[in-house]
Amino acid sequence: QSALTQPASVSGSPGQSITISCTGTSSDIGGHDFVSWYQQLPGTAPRLMIYDVTNRPSGVSTRFSGSKSGNTASLTISGLQTGDEADYYCSSFTAGSTPLVFGGGTKVTVL
Amino acid sequence: QVQLVQSGAEVKKAGASVKVSCKASGYRFSSHYMHWVRQAPGQGLEWLGRINPSGGVTTYAQKFQDRVTLTRDTSTGTVYMELRSLRSQDTAAYYCARDRGQWELSYYFDFWGQGTLVSVSS
Repeated sequence: QSALTQPASVSGSPGQSITISCTGTSSDIGGHDFVSWYQQLPGTAPRLMIYDVTNRPSGVSTRFSGSKSGNTASLTISGLQTGDEADYYCSSFTAGSTPLVFGGGTKVTVL
Repeated sequence: QVQLVQSGAEVKKAGASVKVSCKASGYRFSSHYMHWVRQAPGQGLEWLGRINPSGGVTTYAQKFQDRVTLTRDTSTGTVYMELRSLRSQDTAAYYCARDRGQWELSYYFDFWGQGTLVSVSS
């Protein structure tokens, strides 16, 4: 069981927007802004898409955006494209004995 | 360009140990922490620990505290992950991942190795 809770799957049509949620506690997501999101295409290593809740690394499309409210972080993909089909993982620094935790992952399907 | 190149796939018996290497290039080795993350087949990501290549100081996930050791060789720019007392549940792809922060810890991973599949049979 993962420390952060994500929906198992989210789907949308090309051009639509989708949002993936990531729910934690006041010890992780709710306690600070050290939240990130990774995209993992089939058979490849994860890729950093969002850090510090809202920031995009160089090279990441502006169609990807992050936000946070309370103990829940969210990743929104706008203008959905077939190339966005992947697994997405959230992660957060935590005040616990293990300093980093991941969500269980969300499979995004473009219909 | 930054590259992290890991050692090849391993097949081990339950109870054995495995040591995976990760050779870094394209940047100053000592300036970025290195982390290890694993992914069991069809499962999510799990953080194992991190090492400061500059001084060798490590931090481990509580779950792996007693079984994992991270080390580094500054002369070759290589970090190592050793996992002991292997069990079938340790079958996974093991990734090294560079911390995005320069001379500081961020827990964001901007470059990843290609992954090393470790298979454990009983």
